[in-house]
Amino acid sequence: EPEVTQTPSHQVTQMGQEVILRCVPISNHLYFYWYRQILGQKVEFLVSFYNNEISEKSEIFDDQFSVERPDGSNFTLKIRSTKLEDSAMYFCASSEQTGPEAFFGQGTRLTVV
Amino acid sequence: GEDVEQSLFLSVREGDSSVINCTYTDSSSTYLYWYKQEPGAGLQLLTYIFSNMDMKQDQRLTVLLNKKDKHLSLRIADTQTGDSAIYFCAETEYNFNKFYFGSGTKLNVKP
Repeated sequence: EPEVTQTPSHQVTQMGQEVILRCVPISNHLYFYWYRQILGQKVEFLVSFYNNEISEKSEIFDDQFSVERPDGSNFTLKIRSTKLEDSAMYFCASSEQTGPEAFFGQGTRLTVV
Repeated sequence: GEDVEQSLFLSVREGDSSVINCTYTDSSSTYLYWYKQEPGAGLQLLTYIFSNMDMKQDQRLTVLLNKKDKHLSLRIADTQTGDSAIYFCAETEYNFNKFYFGSGTKLNVKP
């Protein structure tokens, strides 16, 4: 069964460093998303992406964050100058069309120390 | 913004039915979802319901939607130990651009 895959599963980084979280969406999907879940809090929307551009982004998704689809298969989230409060589980998701089914990856746990 | 609320914990015995509840505030919600998260795994889509429906059944899962009260429930019949997980309620608006999630209900199934 096709699935969304994310790498790495766990990343530890020093405060101030840049990290890139990688996702391989399901191959025929066109809509891509990033969400995050800070420990003990709700899963929060970060950004949606379609046709090589951002469709919508939340207030969390400021200039520190960027997304890219560098080739036909990967979808990346870059976090510049990481802060302690960026520590969270980051989920990538994709859908074939705009709704209703969105499929999530297993997440990347980012720990900023 | 939209708010989705769930109780945090539910404990049941194997073989019993589980009912996980969710309330939401956004009256323009188009679809409502249940996702399951097992330890160390991602969010697995279990089922979803369109807002003009009031019930959907899929094998052991029954989703009930009370749109007037903005209340969604997931009933798992004959709950098994393998059903132990965190269950997330989520909703989305007409453009499906983003999902709003609840905090998740941790279901513990005792043998």
